[in-house]
Amino acid sequence: EVQLVQSGGEVKKPGESLKISCKGSGYSFTSYWLGWVRQMPGKGLEWMGIIYPGDSDTTYSPSFQGQVTISADKSISTAYLQWSSLKASDTAMYYCVRRDGVFDIWGQGTMVTVSS
Amino acid sequence: DIQMTQSPSSLSASVGDRVTITCRASQGISNYLAWYQQKPGKVPKLLIFAVSALQSGVPSRFSGSGSGTDFTLTISSLQPEDVATYYCQKHNSAPFTFGPGTKVDIK
Repeated sequence: EVQLVQSGGEVKKPGESLKISCKGSGYSFTSYWLGWVRQMPGKGLEWMGIIYPGDSDTTYSPSFQGQVTISADKSISTAYLQWSSLKASDTAMYYCVRRDGVFDIWGQGTMVTVSS
Repeated sequence: DIQMTQSPSSLSASVGDRVTITCRASQGISNYLAWYQQKPGKVPKLLIFAVSALQSGVPSRFSGSGSGTDFTLTISSLQPEDVATYYCQKHNSAPFTFGPGTKVDIK
């Protein structure tokens, strides 16, 4: 079964760093782009960026460029989304998604809560 | 960058009604338009890609049409399990912008 399994929810304070993960299984991890989508509470879907694990080629949405870092470790079929200094406005659900021409497989989501 | 808009932002319809949601791109995107369904508290799910291709397992009451800049998602006979927010998305190249969503509920 093709699936993306994300790391668990996080509660952090403003200014802290964070790295969340997304592990792919059931398919060739290095052959498909893998993206990240943000959903703030009660709001819509926002595409953040995408990585090709085969060579780590990465593209960011202009809205998120410089705000987050997307990376991947193909040896363990895992992609990452990280922040160096969280803000309260980073509170959201984050989904990883596989792109096979379209976002066909979604992870279960990781809720990140940033509060003092 | 290309912007995606949807109308209406919400709608309420009766079971069995035909429901139509519109999505518009600020520039032509050929046939690279997808629709996703997100039920309350759930993960988004791909419904339709390439304007009108139904993802495996999606009921045939869902259909998509359009080209260029104007697209529609139609539910031919609304069912209670279709209560959800529906998002369109351009999927040809980055940025993979989503529309703002259309919330559908039962009258």
